[in-house]
Amino acid sequence: GENVEQHPSTLSVQEGDSAVIKCTYSDSASNYFPWYKQELGKRPQLIIDIRSNVGEKKDQRIAVTLNKTAKHFSLHITETQPEDSAVYFCAASSTDSWGKFQFGAGTQVVVTP
Amino acid sequence: EPEVTQTPSHQVTQMGQEVILRCVPISNHLYFYWYRQILGQKVEFLVSFYNNEISEKSEIFDDQFSVERPDGSNFTLKIRSTKLEDSAMYFCASRATRGEQFFGPGTRLTVL
Repeated sequence: GENVEQHPSTLSVQEGDSAVIKCTYSDSASNYFPWYKQELGKRPQLIIDIRSNVGEKKDQRIAVTLNKTAKHFSLHITETQPEDSAVYFCAASSTDSWGKFQFGAGTQVVVTP
Repeated sequence: EPEVTQTPSHQVTQMGQEVILRCVPISNHLYFYWYRQILGQKVEFLVSFYNNEISEKSEIFDDQFSVERPDGSNFTLKIRSTKLEDSAMYFCASRATRGEQFFGPGTRLTVL
């Protein structure tokens, strides 16, 4: 089955700096890669996603890149703000099957003013 | 914007008791999921449900667990004979056809 590895487990950045979180996956059938942000005690919320037919996607300060050959994808947050502090989870899924998400272990991001 | 809802928000039960966690997925969604998150750990897939039957389940989802869509709106997870290690946050999620899953706010289950 699919296995998703996520690094780092914690990330401290100064406000205004960039944050990068990396994930690798094992199943070449995976073709959908969402990133979820989870604030303490809250539900996971989708912040950006990418499909395997695209190499990069950007939404304002957030971007995701995908390297299908190497089976890894990354989340980039630029100009970080204190409200970016949360746990970020990557996931991999195959939309050709039932679409279950296999999540990474999560990255605790702390943005200090 | 429509949201997935879950009840109760917190359930406390004694070990060995049965619990039913309830979810109302987004109304035009076709695929339904249960995940759990043990405190401080990652979100783990339990089961997916489509067309009124289980489509996929993980090794966690053993005979202790069952799911049901008793009517056109609710989606339930039943845990029989709860164990201490069942204590976790349980998330329901739903999606339309492809891609994004929308998560509910979760039910925190505490087994004493």
